[in-house]
Amino acid sequence: LAKTTQPISMDSYEGQEVNITCSHNNIATNDYITWYQQFPSQGPRFIIQGYKTKVTNEVASLFIPADRKSSTLSLPRVSLSDTAVYYCLVGDFNAGNNRKLIWGLGTSLAVNP
Amino acid sequence: SQTIHQWPATLVQPVGSPLSLECTVEGTSNPNLYWYRQAAGRGLQLLFYSVGIGQISSEVPQNLSASRPQDRQFILSSKKLLLSDSGFYLCAWDSYTGELFFGEGSRLTVL
Repeated sequence: LAKTTQPISMDSYEGQEVNITCSHNNIATNDYITWYQQFPSQGPRFIIQGYKTKVTNEVASLFIPADRKSSTLSLPRVSLSDTAVYYCLVGDFNAGNNRKLIWGLGTSLAVNP
Repeated sequence: SQTIHQWPATLVQPVGSPLSLECTVEGTSNPNLYWYRQAAGRGLQLLFYSVGIGQISSEVPQNLSASRPQDRQFILSSKKLLLSDSGFYLCAWDSYTGELFFGEGSRLTVL
């Protein structure tokens, strides 16, 4: 069962690139890696998902090395509105009743002016 | 488009009272449904998930229960609330795409 570990908190400044790394040493072959963003008193919101190598969308990039034991969420040029908690999720969404979705404890990102 | 709603948004209940939180999904069929709890604003604890009507998997033994009476309805219940049941409850759904969609959340305070 994959356990995920991520830093508790990070600080940054507006305009900087932020990289948040999640460790998942026991990731299974069919597991995907997904990142979510959560603002206070709201549900988490999907940011990006990947299986291996690099994935990029309009808001972030996700880097996954060949051994898939870690992943790095990259947020380019953060702004104050990116201040939130970021969660790493590892799991197999196609596993039906046997699915195990493992959430990290979240990284609280503070973006300063 | 798909939407998810859960209610009530805020609830203050005395210890020992019952609980019922409801969640409905629109715009999709046969979704996988989840109930999560988040204490102290950090960490998502999976309570229940369901891959179909009447199919409920419990992740954590506790005084809570879940039911899925209809395809797109998920209910979280308790017969007698404990102080430790306080928290932020989140309903979510997915359709095997790998993306979870969360509701607005229900904040429960047990006094």
